[in-house]
Amino acid sequence: GAVVSQHPSWVICKSGTSVKIECRSLDFQATTMFWYRQFPKQSLMLMATSNEGSKATYEQGVEKDKFLINHASLTLSTLTVTSAHPEDSSFYICSARDLSGSGRSRYFGPGTRLTVL
Amino acid sequence: QKEVEQNSGPLSVPEGAIASLNCTYSDRGSQSFFWYRQYSGKSPELIMSIYSNGDKEDGRFTAQLNKASQYVSLLIRDSQPSDSATYLCAVNRGDTGRRALTFGSGTRLQVQP
Repeated sequence: GAVVSQHPSWVICKSGTSVKIECRSLDFQATTMFWYRQFPKQSLMLMATSNEGSKATYEQGVEKDKFLINHASLTLSTLTVTSAHPEDSSFYICSARDLSGSGRSRYFGPGTRLTVL
Repeated sequence: QKEVEQNSGPLSVPEGAIASLNCTYSDRGSQSFFWYRQYSGKSPELIMSIYSNGDKEDGRFTAQLNKASQYVSLLIRDSQPSDSATYLCAVNRGDTGRRALTFGSGTRLQVQP
């Protein structure tokens, strides 16, 4: 299946700092990528939809000025958590779809575990 | 009412048995349905996708879809301890790549050796 990578796999930062998470589709082009967040023992919650060459679409309740998304190319989307606070500690997962395939499945990256001290 | 509902479990089955996981969804416009497996601390892994009514089999896994009842299920035959994980049901309204999936809260499966 299609491969999606994320970097870093984990990060620990101090409160008030910014953290950038990269999501790459390694063997396919993705015009749309999705960013999810998962708190312990909860399901995945969509944060935003990242569209190549245009602004991201944020879900209700997600602050676009806090979670900056850039989809600069067909293989890379970045999520920047600005002025991170302990309540932002979570598992961040990106997802992308291989448009060249016949299926409609989405593939997930391995996730980035963010811990804000 | 949640958009995608699953019993949180845990569902406990003995090794070699059939595990049956169920999911209901509220949006009648939904067209694409997926089952993901998630191990603790890992991201979801796609197991099955189904788009039309009926059954779809892949190895030990069978997905069943009933759009009239807004119901989708996953059967795991010959369950193995390695199948122990949380199974997430996900639904998509359209078939374009621009729409994100809506996930259920997941069912935790425990396969007892």
